[in-house]
Amino acid sequence: DGGITQSPKYLFRKEGQNVTLSCEQNLNHDAMYWYRQDPGQGLRLIYYSQIVNDFQKGDIAEGYSVSREKKESFPLTVTSAQKNPTAFYLCASSIGQGKVHPPQHFGDGTRLSIL
Amino acid sequence: AQSVAQPEDQVNVAEGNPLTVKCTYSVSGNPYLFWYVQYPNRGLQFLLKYITGDNLVKGSYGFEAEFNKSQTSFHLKKPSALVSDSALYFCAVRVTGGGNKLTFGTGTQLKVEL
Repeated sequence: DGGITQSPKYLFRKEGQNVTLSCEQNLNHDAMYWYRQDPGQGLRLIYYSQIVNDFQKGDIAEGYSVSREKKESFPLTVTSAQKNPTAFYLCASSIGQGKVHPPQHFGDGTRLSIL
Repeated sequence: AQSVAQPEDQVNVAEGNPLTVKCTYSVSGNPYLFWYVQYPNRGLQFLLKYITGDNLVKGSYGFEAEFNKSQTSFHLKKPSALVSDSALYFCAVRVTGGGNKLTFGTGTQLKVEL
């Protein structure tokens, strides 16, 4: 079945440590997105990529980095500069430009906590 | 800038009764609106979208939404609620000029009780 796989499901970070969250999709989608979800705040966009080897900052990019070397993969690194990383992180993908108003498809998330 | 508001943090309804989850929007230009549902510790699932045309949009699992331009609203509805509909519901609007980016509301927790 086609879909989006996020791993790990739970992740713990020590102070001063960088951690990387994995997101892989086999939907052949061009566009991919990373969101952060905090209780009562909805989803906030961290980074997005409309095509391989290109990505843009979202609304809360500080303390995060991404890469898009392959169409299928869009890993997110939470750096030590992100002072409040505890959250539920969601990856999504959609058909890219040229298709009108497609829905985004979501993975099942990674819950990041601080040790 | 495009935005959506979900004025209710929680909605409670008895099973078998109709349900409404409210959403209002603020956009410049044409609104492209979406509803998603999230079950605990899962990702979001797409329910339906409004792009243009009929103001009543039908979606998955018996849900529908009514677009009202004069009231700038896009309320989610279901004629008869099920306990299994209990979940977190998000309204979203497409950000113009930003590819397929979406801006989400803060979510409404729906609780359907027996």
